Amino acid sequence: EDQVTQSPEALRLQEGESSSLNCSYTVSGLRGLFWYRQDPGKGPEFLFTLYSAGEEKEKERLKATLTKKESFLHITAPKPEDSATYLCAVQLSGGSYIPTFGRGTSLIVHP
Amino acid sequence: NAGVTQTPKFQVLKTGQSMTLQCAQDMNHNSMYWYRQDPGMGLRLIYYSASEGTTDKGEVPNGYNVSRLNKREFSLRLESAAPSQTSVYFCASLDRGLEQYFGPGTRLTVT
Repeated sequence: EDQVTQSPEALRLQEGESSSLNCSYTVSGLRGLFWYRQDPGKGPEFLFTLYSAGEEKEKERLKATLTKKESFLHITAPKPEDSATYLCAVQLSGGSYIPTFGRGTSLIVHP
Repeated sequence: NAGVTQTPKFQVLKTGQSMTLQCAQDMNHNSMYWYRQDPGMGLRLIYYSASEGTTDKGEVPNGYNVSRLNKREFSLRLESAAPSQTSVYFCASLDRGLEQYFGPGTRLTVT
């Protein structure tokens, strides 16, 4: 059973059409939740870390929020260059530093 | 800083051949990881090294071996390649804030 579920699997937006990506998790004892961006043919690139419910982080058109059960990545007025796959990962509190990744949301922004 | 580097970028092997994927990081990180990424499967952990001299199996270790040569380098070896090992392989290292930094990937095809 997946501990990290991302939705939707794919999202198509028009330039300027704001939307949100969802990452829900069923683990207890969250050490941190991470968002990454992955462009085709490249490795994932770190975007944000969220450590506790209520926390928010922003970078340009992206804003990440965290509750006790899920995180949202809000994209405001997206541009075609925001097209990428967005990955969510969680790390549990405890001994090892092994994150669990969701399967990602593929975002395409049309001009 | 080069970050995380991987070699080679592309490789084609025949079934039964062996090869080693190289990974190095210059960020003085303790923990390093090897993942494979397949369509629809997301990132799956092959092996993990918490520190120099230690390695642990991840979710999909069968058919692979690893060596943590020193703090900078973490190599992945395929002793007898199989078509099921056709994939994109990513190396990553872990920063103090628990975010991971990924290399550019190795695209491996086994025929």
